[in-house]
Amino acid sequence: EAGVTQFPSHSVIEKGQTVTLRCDPISGHDNLYWYRRVMGKEIKFLLHFVKESKQDESGMPNNRFLAERTGGTYSTLKVQPAELEDSGVYFCASSQDTGGPPVLTFGAGSRLTVL
Amino acid sequence: AQRVTQPEKLLSVFKGAPVELKCNYSYSGSPELFWYVQYSRQRLQLLLRHISRESIKGFTADLNKGETSFHLKKPFAQEEDSAMYYCALSRYNTDKLIFGTGTRLQVFP
Repeated sequence: EAGVTQFPSHSVIEKGQTVTLRCDPISGHDNLYWYRRVMGKEIKFLLHFVKESKQDESGMPNNRFLAERTGGTYSTLKVQPAELEDSGVYFCASSQDTGGPPVLTFGAGSRLTVL
Repeated sequence: AQRVTQPEKLLSVFKGAPVELKCNYSYSGSPELFWYVQYSRQRLQLLLRHISRESIKGFTADLNKGETSFHLKKPFAQEEDSAMYYCALSRYNTDKLIFGTGTRLQVFP
């Protein structure tokens, strides 16, 4: 079974540019999550999709971040325009809906460096 | 607000020594607690969760509601246990995980 796939693994951009991160969840997983770890800080929740709908986007930092999950399959997270403080590792995770506490399967992460 | 605290950034022990990675949380309701682990060059993965009351790779964790703690323990550390360990909490009936800042465990031979 393929795991959660994220692309790119590392992106280096300049302040003001745009970057789009992609996540392919495990097939059949309706739940898809984005998290972010900024250097030296905790892993923070960004948002949660159930199929194509945003269930919870309370962690999105501001309107420079746009997440989509068209068709309820893969998801993209766009940062436009990027700022220095957006640098970090962006993790995607997916899970099945079991009715119990979530068991997340994480991707390898996309490291974003904004210069 | 819910919060997870891991007071130690780094914990170093010798092989065979007992290990306890501390985790405290703040949440007034019924929490669901997890330990996630990230080995070198691997992905973040679930180690164990409190509702399962299981032992994984020799690790156990007991939820202590009185002390609001969920410490991770292993009686005899192995070199392959060296990794970054994250404690996480989710509120009852929600999917959002709140992570601590993580503790790096180094096990020396």
